[in-house]
Amino acid sequence: DADVTQTPRNRITKTGKRIMLECSQTKGHDRMYWYRQDPGLGLRLIYYSFDVKDINKGEISDGYSVSRQAQAKFSLSLESAIPNQTALYFCATSDFAGGGETQYFGPGTRLLVL
Amino acid sequence: AQKITQTQPGMFVQEKEAVTLDCTYDTSDPSYGLFWYKQPSSGEMIFLIYQGSYDQQNATEGRYSLNFQKARKSANLVISASQLGDSAMYFCAMREGGGFQKLVFGTGTRLLVSP
Repeated sequence: DADVTQTPRNRITKTGKRIMLECSQTKGHDRMYWYRQDPGLGLRLIYYSFDVKDINKGEISDGYSVSRQAQAKFSLSLESAIPNQTALYFCATSDFAGGGETQYFGPGTRLLVL
Repeated sequence: AQKITQTQPGMFVQEKEAVTLDCTYDTSDPSYGLFWYKQPSSGEMIFLIYQGSYDQQNATEGRYSLNFQKARKSANLVISASQLGDSAMYFCAMREGGGFQKLVFGTGTRLLVSP
């Protein structure tokens, strides 16, 4: 089984709809992240969380909110989806380990907002 | 200014040959980490290799090695004995400083391995 899972894997929605993307991990990591990927722009950080009680905005948090329901679960919500939120969304986890902090990514969710 | 620059939008290599994917970075922080990720057409991001700024030796992981030239601020990925399954997008990323700092990604290089 994958260490980091994301649901749904693909989603089509309409402008103005509320949508939630979910992420679960079995790696036992404390830190979790949400990124979006747009063609030609690489990945950009939306939100990150060090633990259940700690949530922080990334560089492009406007229009998004998150919930850390448990150490293993981190959800991303689009309260009112708009077409420029069409992108590939990744959840990632990490655990600081002696100098290196590698982030491990889920399989991604392809979101299309019409 | 771009923190991570990948100047090769696309690269071609024949199977079994070696290929180098370029990455230059910009930071004034003496402590940083450099990462390479692979993204196949299926979309997932796969961690390949990590190099810390204080590491004395170049990182290696199987067929992947990182040619770390600190003075030139470059962290090129070398893939030896290319395989058809190596065809993918490759992203270089950097984390600055100690503690938590976000990963900054380059725009990627698409590698195509031909038979």
